[in-house]
Amino acid sequence: DSGVTQTPKHLITATGQRVTLRCSPRSGDLSVYWYQQSLDQGLQFLIQYYNGEERAKGNILERFSAQQFPDLHSELNLSSLELGDSALYFCASSGGTSGRARQYFGPGTRLTVT
Amino acid sequence: DAKTTQPTSMDCAEGRAANLPCNHSTISGNEYVYWYRQIHSQGPQYIIHGLKNNETNEMASLIITEDRKSSTLILPHATLRDTAVYYCIVVNNNDMRFGAGTRLTVKP
Repeated sequence: DSGVTQTPKHLITATGQRVTLRCSPRSGDLSVYWYQQSLDQGLQFLIQYYNGEERAKGNILERFSAQQFPDLHSELNLSSLELGDSALYFCASSGGTSGRARQYFGPGTRLTVT
Repeated sequence: DAKTTQPTSMDCAEGRAANLPCNHSTISGNEYVYWYRQIHSQGPQYIIHGLKNNETNEMASLIITEDRKSSTLILPHATLRDTAVYYCIVVNNNDMRFGAGTRLTVKP
């Protein structure tokens, strides 16, 4: 158990809809990272937040957004969903600001867009 | 971040050492080598990391060549539960970029 929790575990929705994925980092970790893993793309870094502020951006689409709240939990919002957004979404946390810090991954949310 | 090259897949016999190579010929002086693994569709799990010196922990050993252009992850006594995709990642201060990794299959 990494100490990182993600909800929901599974999500099925239709194209055009909007969903919110939630992540609670390990106790004391200030950084939260979001990753997308689809069958044909592998594990793709989306975005990082550190103590409420956006710290680094990866391959995140404009239809996606994220935020980190004062209690350090984070939410990833996916809107205008397309079939290609079906994937596993992982959240990770670390104690540091840089990608060099060891990251602890949650169990993931499996999103299916129909 | 420097790019890494890993074999697509490898097999290993149960109880034997698994040696997973990684090339990172464009690594720069302040970049670390990290190894993670992902078992089936679970979240990736940290294994080990290093800068210059060889490292060992309870899970594995990491051997980094003197010129730092390649490294090898060693699982000393592979078990069936070590079957996973192993990712070698070179990291500086930026985010981690996962490649395709090596799919290790441990066979009885």
